[in-house]
Amino acid sequence: DAGVTQSPTHLIKTRGQQVTLRCSPISGHKSVSWYQQVLGQGPQFIFQYYEKEERGRGNFPDRFSARQFPNYSSELNVNALLLGDSALYLCASSPRGPSSYEQYFGPGTRLTVT
Amino acid sequence: DAKTTQPPSMDCAEGRAANLPCNHSTISGNEYVYWYRQIHSQGPQYIIHGLKNNETNEMASLIITEDRKSSTLILPHATLRDTAVYYCIVRPLGAGGTSYGKLTFGQGTILTVHP
Repeated sequence: DAGVTQSPTHLIKTRGQQVTLRCSPISGHKSVSWYQQVLGQGPQFIFQYYEKEERGRGNFPDRFSARQFPNYSSELNVNALLLGDSALYLCASSPRGPSSYEQYFGPGTRLTVT
Repeated sequence: DAKTTQPPSMDCAEGRAANLPCNHSTISGNEYVYWYRQIHSQGPQYIIHGLKNNETNEMASLIITEDRKSSTLILPHATLRDTAVYYCIVRPLGAGGTSYGKLTFGQGTILTVHP
């Protein structure tokens, strides 16, 4: 079975631009979470969506937004990019409810802001 | 979620057991201990979790002290492919509320397995 897939793999943007990252969960998984991982740090929680509703939000500015589609895929949008937004963006899906510990991570999208 | 403390790095010889400690002295009664690892350039991978009893699966064993203030992840026969950052995470299993699916990752332990 295919794992969590993310696109694109790598992305280079300029300060002030907007970016959209995409995630397809494992088939049958209804919960999707987004994490940001800055170089040298552990992943930091951004959002969780379950059944197309936002169920959790981390300590990130309003420039970060997300949504989940009827097929449970998800998009993460970041507006007005800053240099500090350069990071690996990870998507994870869960087979159970919104509070499931068992999360399956994708390979991530490497975003570089110049 | 309770805070965890892990050594920044550890070494292990290939074929030997790797024992990774985690301190979680402020753990609450409803909080579980989870372990994830992240191999270079990949997303984190779930390994194992437990509440108070020792747990074992095909990847590892988890030993939790009786007072639940610390735990040890054991990789019984480490291989070069086990070289990764290992994260110990403490959080409630579920029950909704504010816990939802959030995983709080610390700095983790960089495990290097040598030939």
